[in-house]
Amino acid sequence: QKEVEQNSGPLSVPEGAIASLNCTYSDRGSQSFFWYRQYSGKSPELIMSIYSNGDKEDGRFTAQLNKASQYVSLLIRDSQPSDSATYLCAVNMGNGLSFGAGTTVTVRA
Amino acid sequence: EADIYQTPRYLVIGTGKKITLECSQTMGHDKMYWYQQDPGMELHLIHYSYGVNSTEKGDLSSESTVSRIRTEHFPLTLESARPSHTSQYLCASSGTGWWEAFFGQGTRLTVV
Repeated sequence: QKEVEQNSGPLSVPEGAIASLNCTYSDRGSQSFFWYRQYSGKSPELIMSIYSNGDKEDGRFTAQLNKASQYVSLLIRDSQPSDSATYLCAVNMGNGLSFGAGTTVTVRA
Repeated sequence: EADIYQTPRYLVIGTGKKITLECSQTMGHDKMYWYQQDPGMELHLIHYSYGVNSTEKGDLSSESTVSRIRTEHFPLTLESARPSHTSQYLCASSGTGWWEAFFGQGTRLTVV
């Protein structure tokens, strides 16, 4: 079983819609969870971090964490063409972050 | 704004050459990491360091080596480059008590 798994993409959404990204992790002891955005050919950029169960909102982004279900999600509201990128879920495994394979999101104008 | 720098950005080198990829950060972060990422694929941790004179191998086996003689500097060395080493190498760092990792721009290595 992979340490971090993300829903397979690609995900195509119309401009203005909500994009929903999901992630599950294997280590029940993990305490820190992150979402990164990676544009093609660029390095990952941190967009959200979440440590406690529940929702965390930052602008158009909302991260949700459910430790009992070992599940993390990211919602992108009012999606814009500039949101087109690969979104990486990352989990602290105690020796650095372990990353999922990513979900590629395309926002259609 | 994260201040972490990698050089070179792009490197094309012949098989058998020794190379060192440089990574420096000016944030005083104690933890530093090297990740490897092939195009369209996921990131794999190959080395990490929790401080000066501390280095560990990551989850993905790598023929590279690292050193951490100064807090701000975490170079990665390949003694004898091979075509299988062709990849993007990403350096990252995170501060004391935190696990958010901030990435450098990456070095895209091609071994011919």
